[in-house]
Amino acid sequence: GNSVTQMEGPVTLSEEAFLTINCTYTATGYPSLFWYVQYPGEGLQLLLKATKADDKGSNKGFEATYRKETTSFHLEKGSVQVSDSAVYFCALTPWGETSGSRLTFGEGTQLTVNP
Amino acid sequence: DSGVTQTPKHLITATGQRVTLRCSPRSGDLSVYWYQQSLDQGLQFLIQYYNGEERAKGNILERFSAQQFPDLHSELNLSSLELGDSALYFCASSQGHSGGPPQETQYFGPGTRLLVL
Repeated sequence: GNSVTQMEGPVTLSEEAFLTINCTYTATGYPSLFWYVQYPGEGLQLLLKATKADDKGSNKGFEATYRKETTSFHLEKGSVQVSDSAVYFCALTPWGETSGSRLTFGEGTQLTVNP
Repeated sequence: DSGVTQTPKHLITATGQRVTLRCSPRSGDLSVYWYQQSLDQGLQFLIQYYNGEERAKGNILERFSAQQFPDLHSELNLSSLELGDSALYFCASSQGHSGGPPQETQYFGPGTRLLVL
C-alpha cells in the first residue's frame, strides 16, 4: 500500500536558520505529493504541492521538489521565522484515482523556531 | 479561513454514547472527506463522499458511519464510543468533478475535538 515517511521530530531552530524536513514515499505509479501545515489549534492548510516528477512546489519561501528516482519530496526553507513554528505533514494522493482522492499522511514534524 | 465549517468545535461525552459531527464543504465542492487525527495513529483517512455517494473507504470502524446530504453537507456518526475514539476529526472538501484530476487541493475545516470519558 501507499505510505509516507517523514524525518523524526521535533525540530528546533533559531530564527533565520536553514530548514530541511525529509519526506520519502512508497506508492505505485505517479502519486501527487503535498506538504500541509498545521498551526496550533487550527486545521491543516496546503503549503505546496507537486504533481509530476521534477516538479517544484513553492509557497511562502518553502520549496520541495518531486524526485521520483529517490521517491522523495523534502521540504526546505532558506531562512525560517518564528511564525513558521507549526507541525508539517507530507502527504500523497494515489495515482490513477479521479474525482478527488484520499490523502495518505506522514507522521508530522513539529518545528519550533526560537527568536 | 478555508471555507469548510465543522460543528461542534468540541465534544465531551461518555463511553457507549453516540455523537454526530457535521461538516459543510466549501461552496461548489462536491467531494467531502473525513479524517481522524490521534496521537497514536496520526492522521488517517476515514471515508470520502462525492456528490452524495460513498466514493472511498479507509480505516473506518464499523461503529462509525457517514453520509452526504443533497445540499452536500456531511455528517459523521460515531456510536458505542470508546476511550480510544478520542481524537480530532477533520472534514475536508475538494471540487471533485467526475473525471477530474487526483491532485486537486483538499481544503480542511478546523476540526471537531472529541473527548470520550
